[in-house]
Amino acid sequence: IAGITQAPTSQILAAGRRMTLRCTQDMRHNAMYWYRQDLGLGLRLIHYSNTAGTTGKGEVPDGYSVSRANTDDFPLTLASAVPSQTSVYFCASKMVAGDGTDTQYFGPGTRLTVL
Amino acid sequence: GQNIDQPTEMTATEGAIVQINCTYQTSGFNGLFWYQQHAGEAPTFLSYNVLDGLEEKGRFSSFLSRSKGYSYLLLKELQMKDSASYLCASMDSNYQLIWGAGTKLIIKP
Repeated sequence: IAGITQAPTSQILAAGRRMTLRCTQDMRHNAMYWYRQDLGLGLRLIHYSNTAGTTGKGEVPDGYSVSRANTDDFPLTLASAVPSQTSVYFCASKMVAGDGTDTQYFGPGTRLTVL
Repeated sequence: GQNIDQPTEMTATEGAIVQINCTYQTSGFNGLFWYQQHAGEAPTFLSYNVLDGLEEKGRFSSFLSRSKGYSYLLLKELQMKDSASYLCASMDSNYQLIWGAGTKLIIKP
């Protein structure tokens, strides 16, 4: 694989169910991000990880959790899905150069519908 | 607070020039990014500005004025494939991106 992959591509989920969105990158980037994108709103950061073994909360972390056991994988878990979590979820990664020029690269996205 | 403003939608004609404006207000500033996003696809990187002035990259150019908290993306010789949303994002003091809602650009023949 080359770049960032996400799975599943789309999912319809019953409210109250647990769901994990997968994200894998093969670029050896140290930082990874999860965003949600809703109509009329900008991309909103859910959680991030600056390096394997560390994670941080973004703008809208409630109801979501992440882990970063290794460099390549950054799964996002919804413990008990609610309809307001219906959205398109994008995973992104970048190599942190420390000078602010770091460009984020995005996966293809997961379209999640919670009923 | 942190805020990024850009027009919701713009319409232009094939072959013409269009300028998409973005104003930003973030906690600290480490650069301004522009991304392109076609419908149903992921955002893709277009440009990065951290110093005042114009950066030209083929048909696309991006301008930054740090004192005014202002940037624009200039698209020349518009093609139908340029129909997309254009996202402005400011990198804050924590090196996190704060995103605008995007400008949907419609190109008419």
